[in-house]
Amino acid sequence: NAGVTQTPKFRILKIGQSMTLQCAQDMNHNYMYWYRQDPGMGLKLIYYSVGAGITDKGEVPNGYNVSRSTTEDFPLRLELAAPSQTSVYFCASRPSGGSGNTIYFGEGSWLTVV
Amino acid sequence: DQQVKQNSPSLSVQEGRISILNCDYTNSMFDYFLWYKKYPAEGPTFLISISSIKDKNEDGRFTVFLNKSAKHLSLHIVPSQPGDSAVYFCAASSGSEKLVFGKGMKLTVNP
Repeated sequence: NAGVTQTPKFRILKIGQSMTLQCAQDMNHNYMYWYRQDPGMGLKLIYYSVGAGITDKGEVPNGYNVSRSTTEDFPLRLELAAPSQTSVYFCASRPSGGSGNTIYFGEGSWLTVV
Repeated sequence: DQQVKQNSPSLSVQEGRISILNCDYTNSMFDYFLWYKKYPAEGPTFLISISSIKDKNEDGRFTVFLNKSAKHLSLHIVPSQPGDSAVYFCAASSGSEKLVFGKGMKLTVNP
């Protein structure tokens, strides 16, 4: 019963480096999301997807890219890491349908850019 | 422009007492509201929700109240337990794919 799985859990990047945060879900959910949480702040939506092949920007998409080639996977790419991207990243998913469907989160990925 | 506001960053209560966590929203199109609980180093987990057609939803020790005219909801935890100590996020949805979160409130329940 894996749910939403994120890797890596922790990562330190140097400024200008690139990396991909992986996210996979085994619940056959159509909707997937990437959020970031900064200290003392709520969860801000970076990108989301309503199905394979479809992605859209959230509140804070700058500096990130996503792809959704399969229902299960929704990787988040940082192309040129900046200190402002130091944060905790959460991937989430939920079934399609109305507002009432619960969103399920992964355990988070802690990223530090130095 | 914050659409979902949790104005108090923290709350401390004694074990056995009631905890009341408040949340205000500005978007009248929101039709579903959720509370999530988050422990350190873990992802948020769903706690309880309420549809805009209701004004109360109860699940064990947790009750959520919705006042649509005031655009206000609250989470009541009775009785509070030390294991309830966590950060609680209020979230709202308007029928779209996206969920909007508040900043969270840290609840500490003292034994």
